[in-house]
Amino acid sequence: GAGVSQSPSNKVTEKGKDVELRCDPISGHTALYWYRQSLGQGLEFLIYFQGNSAPDKSGLPSDRFSAERTGGSVSTLTIQRTQQEDSAVYLCASSSYPSGRRSQETQYFGPGTRLLVL
Amino acid sequence: TQLLEQSPQFLSIQEGENLTVYCNSSSVFSSLQWYRQEPGEGPVLLVTVVTGGEVKKLKRLTFQFGDARKDSSLHITAAQTGDTGLYLCAGDRAGGTSYGKLTFGQGTILTVHP
Repeated sequence: GAGVSQSPSNKVTEKGKDVELRCDPISGHTALYWYRQSLGQGLEFLIYFQGNSAPDKSGLPSDRFSAERTGGSVSTLTIQRTQQEDSAVYLCASSSYPSGRRSQETQYFGPGTRLLVL
Repeated sequence: TQLLEQSPQFLSIQEGENLTVYCNSSSVFSSLQWYRQEPGEGPVLLVTVVTGGEVKKLKRLTFQFGDARKDSSLHITAAQTGDTGLYLCAGDRAGGTSYGKLTFGQGTILTVHP
């Protein structure tokens, strides 16, 4: 597709259940980022992929959070044993980083997955 | 501690008024970006500034990057109802390996009333 897509768009789950969130980046973008956004707030970095590797996982809030990327394309963010504080919008972005030109490394965001943990 | 302090957090104005949103930090950034986000959507990039002192104009929007690359501002002239949304500043920290990941401000919720 032309842009970053994410699924599902909304997810309601019960506390303690596991959830998987999917991101399809723009074709050809080697860099992929996951962010978390609380209601009406700025974004919090979670993890960065370059190809299938994750050189920076520093933003993952706990070991209940994990992510993988396969084929240098699709990425899945998994949250195990969900807690109510995990409720947020999870946003995925992709870019051409590293392109060597900072001004060209725009991050394009998907529409996000709205997660509600009851 | 927020690395990028964005202010004001809320802004409610009448159509036709001017406004300025500020983004400040004690850290130096390689680049700074401004995004606009509408409900139910992801942030959309408005502008990237990379040079200290740089000023960019996008129609009624003027973006400025501080000389020391630690702060930025967004000025909107003659606001319109279509400008309503969440405005976010985000920076790519200078030095070390940032992998292009962005540090975001808290956002400014702008409401323009007709």
